[in-house]
Parts: sequence; structure tokens; C-alpha cells
Amino acid sequence: DTEVTQTPKHLVMGMTNKKSLKCEQHMGHRAMYWYKQKAKKPPELMFVYSYEKLSINESVPSRFSPECPNSSLLNLHLHALQPEDSALYLCASSQGAEARNQPQHFGDGTRLSIL
Amino acid sequence: KQEVTQIPAALSVPEGENLVLNCSFTDSAIYNLQWFRQDPGKGLTSLLLIQSSQREQTSGRLNASLDKSSGRSTLYIAASQPGDSATYLCAVGGEYGNKLVFGAGTILRVKS
Repeated sequence: DTEVTQTPKHLVMGMTNKKSLKCEQHMGHRAMYWYKQKAKKPPELMFVYSYEKLSINESVPSRFSPECPNSSLLNLHLHALQPEDSALYLCASSQGAEARNQPQHFGDGTRLSIL
Repeated sequence: KQEVTQIPAALSVPEGENLVLNCSFTDSAIYNLQWFRQDPGKGLTSLLLIQSSQREQTSGRLNASLDKSSGRSTLYIAASQPGDSATYLCAVGGEYGNKLVFGAGTILRVKS
């Protein structure tokens, strides 16, 4: 069991749907991350939140909208996605507003399929 | 732009063998380097983190080294076991460690 919990584990949606991915951690970590991982590829950073504020956006399309309602929760709102957005979406957290030399802890991800 | 390369892409060894996984990176201005393992369909598990000022870290049968000036790291696994079978990912941390750039990984299979 991981200490970072992601729901749902699997999600199938149409290109016109709106859905949200959720991530929760109760380790008191102050930095949280979203990554996208395509099949047989390494994870790619999408967003970083530090102290509930967006600190890094890796030029992600606006159809992905992150939200950090409190220090334990991270959401990723999805709207009008494309088939190429099908991937494993991973959430991670680390202690401190800047990870510096703290390891990132990952959840098991949400496997997203766009029809 | 930081680029991370891992060699070999895949490795198959008999149980009990010692093995070395390699990672190289192009920009030596890093905060840290982390090694992760990923099991099929799962998230990443952090194995070792080496700070930029350190040369190596050890955890059990795992030893990771870092040569920042040459842009290289190695992960040494002693006495490999079938349970070690997984994909091993190297990631270098920039931007105060927040921004991880991953290599493509080494797929390890340990045969019993």
C-alpha cells in the first residue's frame, strides 16, 4: 500500500466529458505533483504545487486544470481531452515546499483512456 | 535542456548475480539524483536519493553512486532475487529538487 492515494484507479471517458482525478496524502507533505506516463515511457512532470500554490506548469494544455484545495488534496480536472491524452496519471508528494533533498512519494496512478 | 539516458534498456540475469545499472545526464547542475523502481501497472517506489554533494548511498543490497562532474550514476544490486524484477528509473532533480527529469528506465528480469 502506498501513502499517496489516487482515485479512481481506472477511468474511461469520452472526448466531451468532464471528469476529475483525485490525490490524497496524509504525510504532512507540502509539495505535490502531477505526472503523465505514456506506455513504456518515463513519467513527465505536468504540475508542481508548493504550499497549495502552483509553482511549476510544464506548458500543459488548458484542457488539464489542476487544483489544490488544501495541503492534503490535489485534483486534476479534465475537459475535452484527446485520444493522445490516454496515459497513466501519477500523483506524488514530498516534504517541504521545495523538495530539495527529500524523495518524492508516488501513488499507484489513475489509468485514463479517452474514447 | 536536461537529458537522462539509461543503459542497458533491458537486462536478464540469473538469480544471485550482482548487477549494475547505468544512468547518465547532460547537465551537471542538479540538486539530487533518485533511483526508483516501478512494477507493472503500479506507481514508483523511491529506492535511493543521492544529494548533489554526496558520492554514494546504500540501502540493503542496493548501492548508488554519483559522479556529478562526469554526469553519471550507477545502481548496484547485490545478490539479485526474482523479486527484484521491475523497471528501474533514474531521475535527476533540478529547480531545488522539485523538477525531476526521468530516464527511460532499465527493465530488469531476474530468473529463478
